[in-house]
Amino acid sequence: GQSLEQPSEVTAVEGAIVQINCTYQTSGFYGLSWYQQHDGGAPTFLSYNALDGLEETGRFSSFLSRSDSYGYLLLQELQMKDSASYFCAVGSGYSTLTFGKGTMLLVSP
Amino acid sequence: NAGVTQTPKFQVLKTGQSMTLQCAQDMNHEYMSWYRQDPGMGLRLIHYSVGAGITDQGEVPNGYNVSRSTTEDFPLRLLSAAPSQTSVYFCASSPNYSGANVLTFGAGSRLTVL
Repeated sequence: GQSLEQPSEVTAVEGAIVQINCTYQTSGFYGLSWYQQHDGGAPTFLSYNALDGLEETGRFSSFLSRSDSYGYLLLQELQMKDSASYFCAVGSGYSTLTFGKGTMLLVSP
Repeated sequence: NAGVTQTPKFQVLKTGQSMTLQCAQDMNHEYMSWYRQDPGMGLRLIHYSVGAGITDQGEVPNGYNVSRSTTEDFPLRLLSAAPSQTSVYFCASSPNYSGANVLTFGAGSRLTVL
């Protein structure tokens, strides 16, 4: 089976840096993705890692270590609008994407 | 470009009723999928399709049917609704069908089964 573990909740203040970790166990691996979902909204794609290392997209970066079955999403210069749920997702089959249960990020002033 | 359009946005059913959640995309995406989202459970894959005429089951397919007669449309049918199917349903599409899927999600359909 497939399983992804990520913290249920993370809190931080505006301007800070926060890291959301994700560990996974899957029978197949086709990359690690991150999605953001605001309350009542649809998930939106943030980042994707197929190979080990860091991918940077503006204030967001994502890291992958395939040997450790581990990745993280790094959010810098936090803004109030970053308060949302963040999901890691693994391409666990050639045509399937398995999501973690999500991390709720609360950014306070 | 509307992206992925889901209808209806809200629906209330009685146990045993059937209904169809509609999903249409105008991006000529080959890959389409349906997820359900329940509190504390993340997104779970119900069914997916890698092209017209091709569908397959995901993690939680029981009680749902799909078909893909055109590239644009991927309806999800509830055959006999049960309270356990109360959930938010998301349709998503992608240009291709690999683990590198970058999914574009619809706005969601909130279903309540009484």
